[in-house]
Amino acid sequence: SQQGEEDPQALSIQEGENATMNCSYKTSINNLQWYRQNSGRGLVHLILIRSNEREKHSGRLRVTLDTSKKSSSLLITASRAADTASYFCATPRGGSYIPTFGRGTSLIVHP
Amino acid sequence: GAGVSQSPSNKVTEKGKDVELRCDPISGHTALYWYRQSLGQGLEFLIYFQGNSAPDKSGLPSDRFSAERTGGSVSTLTIQRTQQEDSAVYLCASSLGDSSRYFGPGTRLTVL
Repeated sequence: SQQGEEDPQALSIQEGENATMNCSYKTSINNLQWYRQNSGRGLVHLILIRSNEREKHSGRLRVTLDTSKKSSSLLITASRAADTASYFCATPRGGSYIPTFGRGTSLIVHP
Repeated sequence: GAGVSQSPSNKVTEKGKDVELRCDPISGHTALYWYRQSLGQGLEFLIYFQGNSAPDKSGLPSDRFSAERTGGSVSTLTIQRTQQEDSAVYLCASSLGDSSRYFGPGTRLTVL
């Protein structure tokens, strides 16, 4: 079963605009990770945010975590065509170290 | 190598044949994960290895699937008597404990 679910399923924007993707999960977690996947192959780790953190930045990426709402968001500012990819959130499975993934948000950035 | 590698990158097989997929994790990474991803879907967890502990096989969809990790390094995922529904991209990842997971490029399996 999937722990996290991304929303929206698909997002289409123009270069320069901001892109916001959301992730909701069901059970308590100690961390949440965001990944990017290009062309249906390997995933690239973007950011890990721990349960005691509310916000984290990495370059043009900003991740927030609201444990009371069991949700997280990924904001990509000033998007570029190269940001076109699928984005997944991952949360630990039960009490394990095994990340479980949602179905992802497919982002298309038009040049 | 610098990253996780997987081989083959593509595999086409006939229904009923056995296949072996290989994963070379990053040197020193104690944890290794196998996932599969069907077209347009999320990642489905298959199996998890952590050091010398017994693997977590709870994600394997049937007894046709098995995996081993030799010497705490290379892992092989074996699918026996392949079925068309086994067609997917099989992804391997490794990590040092609960740190960031590094994924390989995947093996695209097509069962005819």
